[in-house]
Amino acid sequence: EAQVTQNPRYLITVTGKKLTVTCSQNMNHEYMSWYRQDPGLGLRQIYYSMNVEVTDKGDVPEGYKVSRKEKRNFPLILESPSPNQTSLYFCASRSLGPLYQETQYFGPGTRLLVL
Amino acid sequence: QKEVEQNSGPLSVPEGAIASLNCTYSDRVSQSFFWYRQYSGKSPELIMSIYSNGDKEDGRFTAQLNKASQYVSLLIRDSQPSDSATYLCAVNDDSSASKIIFGSGTRLSIRP
Repeated sequence: EAQVTQNPRYLITVTGKKLTVTCSQNMNHEYMSWYRQDPGLGLRQIYYSMNVEVTDKGDVPEGYKVSRKEKRNFPLILESPSPNQTSLYFCASRSLGPLYQETQYFGPGTRLLVL
Repeated sequence: QKEVEQNSGPLSVPEGAIASLNCTYSDRVSQSFFWYRQYSGKSPELIMSIYSNGDKEDGRFTAQLNKASQYVSLLIRDSQPSDSATYLCAVNDDSSASKIIFGSGTRLSIRP
């Protein structure tokens, strides 16, 4: 079954305490992304990766880091979380096949609360 | 700042009618356009992608693209209560195949 998994699903933490949200996909997709979703603002892209060791900033990268050492994994790192990073986070993977056959999958989401 | 605009709704449509969702975008050179459905508390699900002007049909869904007007729409025929969700429009940023810009979504409610 095609799947994007994220862990943890829910996290409450305190300001400044480093945390990592893991993301893994089993479809061998080259493209992976991280988004945050906030009420009224929709989904905003944080970082994306087009392949192993290739990452780039999205629209809201400040305060986040990512790495892509393996094709299947794309962790999101918050070195020093702040309350304005309280949000719902989604990881996604994407593949564009022949004849523009687009495939995208989102993970189940990680709800983060930073106190 | 490249933007994707959607009416937030809610859009209320009677069961069995056609629901029409609209989206405009600011980047004239955008090449790829997507519609997602997101149920409350769930993750987005890609339902349609469209790349060239005109209509693309998939079951009860039809995506329409007009690049000259920078306008993309989604029609849902024979609307069902299970279609009640938030629909997100998104476009691919021209500068990168992986950079996708989302609208804030339109909440659709199908009334029985």
